Amino acid sequence: GAGVSQSPSNKVTEKGKDVELRCDPISGHTALYWYRQSLGQGLEFLIYFQGNSAPDKSGLPSDRFSAERTGGSVSTLTIQRTQQEDSAVYLCASRRTSGGYNEQFFGPGTRLTVL
Amino acid sequence: KQEVTQIPAALSVPEGENLVLNCSFTDSAIYNLQWFRQDPGKGLTSLLLIQSSQREQTSGRLNASLDKSSGRSTLYIAASQPGDSATYLCAGDNAGNMLTFGGGTRLMVKP
Repeated sequence: GAGVSQSPSNKVTEKGKDVELRCDPISGHTALYWYRQSLGQGLEFLIYFQGNSAPDKSGLPSDRFSAERTGGSVSTLTIQRTQQEDSAVYLCASRRTSGGYNEQFFGPGTRLTVL
Repeated sequence: KQEVTQIPAALSVPEGENLVLNCSFTDSAIYNLQWFRQDPGKGLTSLLLIQSSQREQTSGRLNASLDKSSGRSTLYIAASQPGDSATYLCAGDNAGNMLTFGGGTRLMVKP
């Protein structure tokens, strides 16, 4: 069965440009999470979508970061006016929420480098 | 706010040894605890999930325990192999929401 997929796997951009990162969750998983992994900060939560509820954006580091989830499936994380400190690996995870609590499954990540 | 700490940060052992990785958390209201493995340049692979009502989970040579009262979880790896070399991360959540991760333990198993 297909796992969580993310694209692109690598993205190099210039400071000030906008980037879009994509996540395809496991089919049937209603919860979707974005995390960021950087050398200095470890793994940190960014945003969480659950069904049709309003997303939990409490982890977004600035208003340059936004995310949407269309049709309860694919999600896009957008970073506007990228800065060098945005360089990190961006990880997406999904979770099935029926039948009790279930584990989160992670995608391979998108490595973002801002020059 | 939940904080998760993993000790040691790095560990090197000879093949065949049994070993224990430690994870501690500050909020005993933790709901679930999950252990992951991460290989260099790769995403996270889920190893074990311990739900709040459970005290331990086992999968093959891996056994994870959870003691909410003391704020600790351990991952026990039996008969370690070079293929076990990776970074091991523990993470907890409150009521099924986002995970809070520890800094990880880098494990090297030498042949």
